[in-house]
Amino acid sequence: EVQLLETGGGLVQPGGSLRLSCVASGFIFSTYAMSWVRQAPGKGLQWVSTISGSGGTTDYADSVKGRFTISRDNSKNTLYLQMNSLRAEDTAVYYCAIDRFCSGGSCYSEYWGQGTLVTVSS
Amino acid sequence: EIVLTQSPGTLSLSPGERATLSCRASQSVRSTYLAWYQQKPGQALRLLTYGASSRATGIPDRFSGSGSGTDFTLTISRLEPEDFAVYYCQQYGSSPRTFGQGTKVEIK
Repeated sequence: EVQLLETGGGLVQPGGSLRLSCVASGFIFSTYAMSWVRQAPGKGLQWVSTISGSGGTTDYADSVKGRFTISRDNSKNTLYLQMNSLRAEDTAVYYCAIDRFCSGGSCYSEYWGQGTLVTVSS
Repeated sequence: EIVLTQSPGTLSLSPGERATLSCRASQSVRSTYLAWYQQKPGQALRLLTYGASSRATGIPDRFSGSGSGTDFTLTISRLEPEDFAVYYCQQYGSSPRTFGQGTKVEIK
């Protein structure tokens, strides 16, 4: 059974940092691109970042470029999102997801975690 | 980027009724690269369909996707109690991937 478990969310002040983790099981982690997608309270979904299976290719939404860094440790079946210079508008539930098919840098996701809440507030 | 507009915002129906959800794109979605997801409170998102009309693994055949170009539809032929949820469309034909704002299917 595929499982994705996100951790690391919490309350952080504007300008602060946080690192999210997503532990995966039930599939061959290194063979799949992985993504982070967020959902602000009461709002829709927004793609944040994607990393290839090997970790050699990454992509970011313009709104987080230069502030967030996606990475993965295939030996630990773990995906990360390092978030720096956090802003109030980054407040959201952050989901990790397995990308099943990608074309031209854009993908759909087959499995999702239940998310971890990040709140940026003073 | 491609903007997806879903309608209606809320659909009030009874179990057993047919639900028709619309997703309209601001420009043509390449190769019908459109997916639909279901979201329930406290649960992980569930992929329903991809490639506009292909059902994901384990999805009942009462769920069907259709459409091309800029107009796409998710149809639930007969609503079951577990189908009352929020549904999102997403395009992956161009970067960045984008999502619609969601349609809530609620019990009438």
